[in-house]
Amino acid sequence: DVKVTQSSRYLVKRTGEKVFLECVQDMDHENMFWYRQDPGLGLRLIYFSYDVKMKEKGDIPEGYSVSREKKERFSLILESASTNQTSMYLCASSFGSSFSYNEQFFGPGTRLTVL
Amino acid sequence: AQSVAQPEDQVNVAEGNPLTVKCTYSVSGNPYLFWYVQYPNRGLQFLLKYITGDNLVKGSYGFEAEFNKSQTSFHLKKPSALVSDSALYFCAVRDGKAAGNKLTFGGGTRVLVKP
Repeated sequence: DVKVTQSSRYLVKRTGEKVFLECVQDMDHENMFWYRQDPGLGLRLIYFSYDVKMKEKGDIPEGYSVSREKKERFSLILESASTNQTSMYLCASSFGSSFSYNEQFFGPGTRLTVL
Repeated sequence: AQSVAQPEDQVNVAEGNPLTVKCTYSVSGNPYLFWYVQYPNRGLQFLLKYITGDNLVKGSYGFEAEFNKSQTSFHLKKPSALVSDSALYFCAVRDGKAAGNKLTFGGGTRVLVKP
């Protein structure tokens, strides 16, 4: 059974803190993604990666960075958390090349609150 | 650029009645279209996708979707709704011309099935 896990379900941080969100997939997928989900806005892509050490900006990369040192792990980093980064963060992975059309598999999400 | 619109924030339907969730899209190349469902406090689950071929696509849990190229639509349907279908539904599109395996999601439609 395919599995994408995220390090925390709920996280509370203070403004200015550095925040790490971890995502691990056990399906040997090439592609990994980080989204944020906000009511009425759907999912918006922050960053994605199609190979180890490779990363591409999504639609809303400002204030975020990512790291992919191993194929199975994709980390999202908030360098200095701000209140407008309070959101649900979803990680996903998919199989195939950058031109493939395979479905993405999602983790359970991390609800981050920045105070 | 690729975009998706889900014109209804919420759809209410009685159990046993047909369910339709609307989705329209815009891409410059051929569209790859997806439907996902999100149950409370869970990540997104893949329901079905259209890549090419038959315009009527069948997916999980009795759902199907009809691709209409002239109307640029990909509506999700279920002939007889169950209370357990109450959830948040997302339509997503990938432009076949674009590299990067990147999906754009709609804002989501909440479905409430009443007993």
